[in-house]
Amino acid sequence: DSGVTQTPKHLITATGQRVTLRCSPRSGDLSVYWYQQSLDQGLQFLIQYYNGEERAKGNILERFSAQQFPDLHSELNLSSLELGDSALYFCASSVATTGDTEAFFGQGTRLTVV
Amino acid sequence: GQQLNQSPQSMFIQEGEDVSMNCTSSSIFNTWLWYKQDPGEGPVLLIALYKAGELTSNGRLTAQFGITRKDSFLNISASIPSDVGIYFCAGQLGYGGATNKLIFGTGTLLAVQP
Repeated sequence: DSGVTQTPKHLITATGQRVTLRCSPRSGDLSVYWYQQSLDQGLQFLIQYYNGEERAKGNILERFSAQQFPDLHSELNLSSLELGDSALYFCASSVATTGDTEAFFGQGTRLTVV
Repeated sequence: GQQLNQSPQSMFIQEGEDVSMNCTSSSIFNTWLWYKQDPGEGPVLLIALYKAGELTSNGRLTAQFGITRKDSFLNISASIPSDVGIYFCAGQLGYGGATNKLIFGTGTLLAVQP
């Protein structure tokens, strides 16, 4: 158990809908990262938050947004969903943003858009 | 999206055999990490490497950070059935901010026959 908790584990929704994925980082970790894993693109970095503030953005679509709350949990919001958004979405956490690379991953949320 | 070149893509071996996989990049990395992912689970950190030339072991696993900082390899000795899974390398360009994200390799699928 990595200590990173993601909910829900599975999500099935229709095209055009909006969903929210939730992540609770390991106790004491201030950084949260979101990754998308699909068969054709592999593991791709989406966005990073540190202590409530956005720190880095990767290949995140404009239809997607995220935030980190004062209690350090994070939510990834996916809207106007398309079939191609079906993927595994992972959250990872680490202690700090500088010089700290050991990110620990949650079990992921499997999103299926039908 | 960005991905590292990881080889081989898949390996099918007998229990007891040694395994070697590697990752190469066109960019210099300050950190290399190796993860293992089981079906339906998130990546689990195996080994972290922080200095060029560093050789680190974790049980039957040994990984090295290439001298050029553009490559890394992972060896598994005396493989056992529970080694089955997908192994990913991940590199980090630098420290802090946008360079703190991990860039993942394409993965190596390992199958071990008892």
